[in-house]
Amino acid sequence: AQKVTQAQTEISVVEKEDVTLDCVYETRDTTYYLFWYKQPPSGELVFLIRRNSFDEQNEISGRYSWNFQKSTSSFNFTITASQVVDSAVYFCALSEPYSGAGSYQLTFGKGTKLSVIP
Amino acid sequence: DTEVTQTPKHLVMGMTNKKSLKCEQHMGHRAMYWYKQKAKKPPELMFVYSYEKLSINESVPSRFSPECPNSSLLNLHLHALQPEDSALYLCASSQEPATGGNYNEQFFGPGTRLTVL
Repeated sequence: AQKVTQAQTEISVVEKEDVTLDCVYETRDTTYYLFWYKQPPSGELVFLIRRNSFDEQNEISGRYSWNFQKSTSSFNFTITASQVVDSAVYFCALSEPYSGAGSYQLTFGKGTKLSVIP
Repeated sequence: DTEVTQTPKHLVMGMTNKKSLKCEQHMGHRAMYWYKQKAKKPPELMFVYSYEKLSINESVPSRFSPECPNSSLLNLHLHALQPEDSALYLCASSQEPATGGNYNEQFFGPGTRLTVL
């Protein structure tokens, strides 16, 4: 069975601090994808990144960076110089093939609520 | 245009009412999804449509009835709901269903907050 663990339920940081959100996953698939989504209080899930299991390069996008380590089954997300607008719930997710349907579903972690205090 | 729209934003209904949630995307995506999200929980998959055909039904009660009239539209018909069905209902779409192990990202709409009295 697939599983995604986000051990941090809630994190509070002061504006301009760096913060890392942890994600650990379990899968027996050799090909899989990992995702991060942001859910602000408005409710919409905003796609942040997709990472293929064969691509272990770290990625940076502005203040966001992601560290993918297959050896430890982790896909951590760092926000540098946090801002109040970063306050949201962040979900890590793992693709899970749905047999016989040619489709897949996302297995979500429980989410980490990030509060950035001005 | 990378937008998924959902109407209505909020819906309050009684247990005997019939209502529908609507979702629309104009990105040419061929897979569309319905999720249910309770407070402080991750989204739970309900249904998946691939090329306008229902491909996944995650054992959802029959009081929820999905419909995909065309490749851009997805409806969720509600009938005889229970108070425990109150939740945020999210629609999503992706470019293709999973093919050859390539899982495209899903784009989500803003959701419909449903309250069942």
